[in-house]
Amino acid sequence: GAGVSQSPSNKVTEKGKDVELRCDPISGHTALYWYRQSLGQGLEFLIYFQGNSAPDKSGLPSDRFSAERTGGSVSTLTIQRTQQEDSAVYLCASSFSVLGVANTEAFFGQGTRLTVV
Amino acid sequence: GEDVEQSLFLSVREGDSSVINCTYTDSSSTYLYWYKQEPGAGLQLLTYIFSNMDMKQDQRLTVLLNKKDKHLSLRIADTQTGDSAIYFCAETSNTGRRALTFGSGTRLQVQP
Repeated sequence: GAGVSQSPSNKVTEKGKDVELRCDPISGHTALYWYRQSLGQGLEFLIYFQGNSAPDKSGLPSDRFSAERTGGSVSTLTIQRTQQEDSAVYLCASSFSVLGVANTEAFFGQGTRLTVV
Repeated sequence: GEDVEQSLFLSVREGDSSVINCTYTDSSSTYLYWYKQEPGAGLQLLTYIFSNMDMKQDQRLTVLLNKKDKHLSLRIADTQTGDSAIYFCAETSNTGRRALTFGSGTRLQVQP
Protein backbone atom coordinates (compact mmCIF):
# COMPACT_ATOMS: atom_id res chain seq x y z
CA GLY A 1 0.00 0.00 0.00
CA ALA A 2 0.93 3.66 -0.10
CA GLY A 3 1.71 3.88 3.59
CA VAL A 4 1.67 1.93 6.82
CA SER A 5 -1.90 1.05 7.69
CA GLN A 6 -3.12 0.21 11.19
CA SER A 7 -6.48 -1.09 12.28
CA PRO A 8 -8.62 -0.41 14.11
CA SER A 9 -7.90 3.28 14.51
CA ASN A 10 -9.73 3.28 17.83
CA LYS A 11 -10.55 0.43 20.17
CA VAL A 12 -12.42 0.55 23.46
CA THR A 13 -12.36 -2.68 25.43
CA GLU A 14 -13.34 -3.87 28.86
CA LYS A 15 -10.69 -4.73 31.39
CA GLY A 16 -9.80 -8.39 31.18
CA LYS A 17 -10.66 -8.82 27.50
CA ASP A 18 -8.12 -9.70 24.80
CA VAL A 19 -7.43 -7.34 21.89
CA GLU A 20 -5.66 -7.69 18.56
CA LEU A 21 -4.09 -4.76 16.78
CA ARG A 22 -3.13 -5.06 13.13
CA CYS A 23 -0.38 -3.44 11.10
CA ASP A 24 0.00 -3.55 7.31
CA PRO A 25 3.50 -2.34 6.43
CA ILE A 26 4.55 -0.71 3.20
CA SER A 27 4.88 -3.36 0.50
CA GLY A 28 8.44 -4.67 0.27
CA HIS A 29 9.51 -3.44 3.70
CA THR A 30 11.29 -6.20 5.56
CA ALA A 31 11.52 -4.55 8.98
CA LEU A 32 8.49 -3.78 11.15
CA TYR A 33 8.36 -2.08 14.55
CA TRP A 34 5.77 -1.70 17.31
CA TYR A 35 5.83 1.21 19.74
CA ARG A 36 3.52 2.38 22.50
CA GLN A 37 2.83 6.03 23.28
CA SER A 38 1.07 6.73 26.55
CA LEU A 39 -0.66 10.07 27.07
CA GLY A 40 1.91 12.87 27.05
CA GLN A 41 4.81 10.43 26.88
CA GLY A 42 7.44 9.49 24.36
CA LEU A 43 7.49 6.36 22.29
CA GLU A 44 8.25 3.15 24.12
CA PHE A 45 9.80 0.38 22.00
CA LEU A 46 7.92 -2.92 22.17
CA ILE A 47 9.26 -5.28 19.50
CA TYR A 48 10.67 -5.36 16.00
CA PHE A 49 10.63 -7.90 13.19
CA GLN A 50 13.13 -8.61 10.47
CA GLY A 51 11.10 -10.71 8.05
CA ASN A 52 9.02 -13.02 10.23
CA SER A 53 11.59 -13.21 13.01
CA ALA A 54 11.67 -10.99 16.09
CA PRO A 55 15.32 -10.41 17.04
CA ASP A 56 14.37 -8.14 19.93
CA LYS A 57 11.29 -8.65 22.09
CA SER A 58 12.80 -6.96 25.11
CA GLY A 59 10.34 -4.07 25.09
CA LEU A 60 7.21 -6.16 25.60
CA PRO A 61 5.94 -5.05 29.04
CA SER A 62 4.69 -8.44 30.21
CA ASP A 63 3.79 -11.92 29.05
CA ARG A 64 0.28 -10.63 28.30
CA PHE A 65 1.78 -8.98 25.21
CA SER A 66 2.72 -10.95 22.12
CA ALA A 67 3.22 -10.21 18.45
CA GLU A 68 3.60 -12.16 15.28
CA ARG A 69 4.30 -11.47 11.67
CA THR A 70 3.35 -13.79 8.87
CA GLY A 71 4.47 -13.90 5.25
CA GLY A 72 6.92 -11.10 5.94
CA SER A 73 4.02 -8.66 5.78
CA VAL A 74 1.10 -8.15 8.17
CA SER A 75 1.79 -8.08 11.90
CA THR A 76 -0.59 -8.53 14.80
CA LEU A 77 0.02 -7.29 18.34
CA THR A 78 -2.09 -9.16 20.87
CA ILE A 79 -2.74 -8.01 24.42
CA GLN A 80 -4.38 -10.60 26.66
CA ARG A 81 -6.39 -9.81 29.77
CA THR A 82 -6.13 -6.08 29.16
CA GLN A 83 -5.53 -3.73 32.09
CA GLN A 84 -6.24 -0.01 32.37
CA GLU A 85 -2.53 0.77 32.21
CA ASP A 86 -2.49 -0.73 28.70
CA SER A 87 -4.46 2.30 27.47
CA ALA A 88 -2.23 4.09 24.96
CA VAL A 89 -1.68 4.70 21.28
CA TYR A 90 0.05 1.75 19.65
CA LEU A 91 2.17 2.78 16.69
CA CYS A 92 3.56 0.58 13.97
CA ALA A 93 6.38 1.49 11.60
CA SER A 94 8.13 -0.24 8.73
CA SER A 95 11.39 0.25 6.87
CA PHE A 96 12.94 -1.22 3.73
CA SER A 97 15.68 -2.83 5.79
CA VAL A 98 16.76 -2.66 9.40
CA LEU A 99 17.76 0.77 10.64
CA GLY A 100 21.31 1.90 11.20
CA VAL A 101 22.24 1.80 7.51
CA ALA A 102 22.39 4.62 5.01
CA ASN A 103 19.21 6.03 3.53
CA THR A 104 16.90 3.80 5.54
CA GLU A 105 13.87 5.53 6.99
CA ALA A 106 11.11 4.22 9.23
CA PHE A 107 7.59 5.18 8.14
CA PHE A 108 4.91 5.30 10.82
CA GLY A 109 1.24 4.48 10.71
CA GLN A 110 -1.45 6.64 12.31
CA GLY A 111 -1.68 4.34 15.30
CA THR A 112 -4.42 2.51 17.17
CA ARG A 113 -5.78 4.31 20.20
CA LEU A 114 -6.61 1.66 22.80
CA THR A 115 -8.80 2.54 25.76
CA VAL A 116 -9.36 -0.04 28.47
CA VAL A 117 -12.39 0.70 30.67
CA GLY B 1 20.52 0.57 27.91
CA GLU B 2 20.15 3.49 25.57
CA ASP B 3 18.63 6.70 26.89
CA VAL B 4 17.56 9.83 25.04
CA GLU B 5 16.53 12.98 26.90
CA GLN B 6 14.85 16.20 25.83
CA SER B 7 13.41 19.23 27.56
CA LEU B 8 9.63 19.08 27.68
CA PHE B 9 8.52 22.48 26.45
CA LEU B 10 9.68 25.45 24.37
CA SER B 11 7.77 28.62 23.57
CA VAL B 12 8.91 31.10 20.91
CA ARG B 13 7.44 34.00 18.98
CA GLU B 14 6.61 33.71 15.31
CA GLY B 15 9.61 34.70 13.20
CA ASP B 16 12.16 33.84 15.90
CA SER B 17 14.50 30.85 15.73
CA SER B 18 13.72 27.77 17.82
CA VAL B 19 16.40 25.48 19.19
CA ILE B 20 15.39 22.07 20.52
CA ASN B 21 18.06 20.11 22.36
CA CYS B 22 18.59 16.40 22.94
CA THR B 23 21.18 14.29 24.74
CA TYR B 24 21.78 10.58 24.31
CA THR B 25 23.90 7.98 26.03
CA ASP B 26 24.60 5.30 23.42
CA SER B 27 28.14 5.81 22.17
CA SER B 28 27.45 3.41 19.29
CA SER B 29 24.65 5.58 17.90
CA THR B 30 24.99 5.66 14.13
CA TYR B 31 22.07 7.81 13.02
CA LEU B 32 20.19 10.51 14.90
CA TYR B 33 16.78 11.68 13.83
CA TRP B 34 14.25 14.42 14.38
CA TYR B 35 10.57 13.56 14.06
CA LYS B 36 7.57 15.89 14.21
CA GLN B 37 4.17 14.91 15.61
CA GLU B 38 1.18 17.16 15.11
CA PRO B 39 -2.09 16.63 17.02
CA GLY B 40 -4.00 13.67 15.62
CA ALA B 41 -1.29 12.94 13.08
CA GLY B 42 1.39 10.31 12.76
CA LEU B 43 5.11 10.82 13.14
CA GLN B 44 6.81 12.62 10.30
CA LEU B 45 10.56 12.35 9.75
CA LEU B 46 12.01 15.85 9.45
CA THR B 47 15.69 15.12 9.04
CA TYR B 48 18.47 12.84 10.19
CA ILE B 49 22.23 13.02 10.56
CA PHE B 50 24.91 10.38 10.34
CA SER B 51 27.18 10.20 13.36
CA ASN B 52 30.33 11.17 11.43
CA MET B 53 28.80 14.53 10.52
CA ASP B 54 28.59 17.52 12.79
CA MET B 55 26.07 19.62 10.88
CA LYS B 56 23.32 19.20 8.35
CA GLN B 57 21.17 21.94 6.86
CA ASP B 58 17.87 21.47 5.08
CA GLN B 59 16.00 24.67 4.23
CA ARG B 60 14.86 26.16 7.56
CA LEU B 61 16.23 23.23 9.58
CA THR B 62 19.77 22.97 10.91
CA VAL B 63 20.93 19.93 12.86
CA LEU B 64 24.06 20.15 14.98
CA LEU B 65 25.73 17.07 16.45
CA ASN B 66 28.40 17.12 19.15
CA LYS B 67 29.41 13.48 19.28
CA LYS B 68 31.89 14.00 22.09
CA ASP B 69 29.18 15.40 24.37
CA LYS B 70 26.43 13.22 22.83
CA HIS B 71 24.36 16.33 22.20
CA LEU B 72 22.04 16.90 19.26
CA SER B 73 20.09 20.05 18.44
CA LEU B 74 17.49 21.10 15.92
CA ARG B 75 17.30 24.75 14.92
CA ILE B 76 14.21 25.98 13.09
CA ALA B 77 14.76 29.36 11.45
CA ASP B 78 11.88 31.84 11.05
CA THR B 79 9.55 29.70 13.15
CA GLN B 80 5.92 29.73 11.99
CA THR B 81 2.69 28.88 13.82
CA GLY B 82 2.50 25.77 11.65
CA ASP B 83 5.67 24.54 13.33
CA SER B 84 3.78 24.11 16.62
CA ALA B 85 4.02 20.40 17.36
CA ILE B 86 5.90 17.86 19.46
CA TYR B 87 9.44 17.18 18.26
CA PHE B 88 11.07 13.85 19.03
CA CYS B 89 14.75 13.11 18.96
CA ALA B 90 15.63 9.46 18.19
CA GLU B 91 18.73 7.39 17.65
CA THR B 92 19.70 4.01 16.29
CA SER B 93 22.92 2.11 15.84
CA ASN B 94 24.17 -0.47 13.35
CA THR B 95 24.75 -2.95 16.17
CA GLY B 96 22.45 -4.31 18.84
CA ARG B 97 18.83 -3.23 18.66
CA ARG B 98 18.17 -2.06 15.12
CA ALA B 99 15.21 0.08 16.09
CA LEU B 100 14.69 3.70 17.07
CA THR B 101 15.09 4.82 20.66
CA PHE B 102 13.07 7.98 21.23
CA GLY B 103 13.27 10.86 23.65
CA SER B 104 10.14 11.97 25.48
CA GLY B 105 9.49 14.81 23.03
CA THR B 106 9.63 18.60 23.20
CA ARG B 107 6.39 20.49 22.77
CA LEU B 108 7.04 23.61 20.68
CA GLN B 109 4.51 26.38 21.03
CA VAL B 110 4.75 29.26 18.57
CA GLN B 111 3.10 32.49 19.68
CA PRO B 112 1.74 34.73 16.91
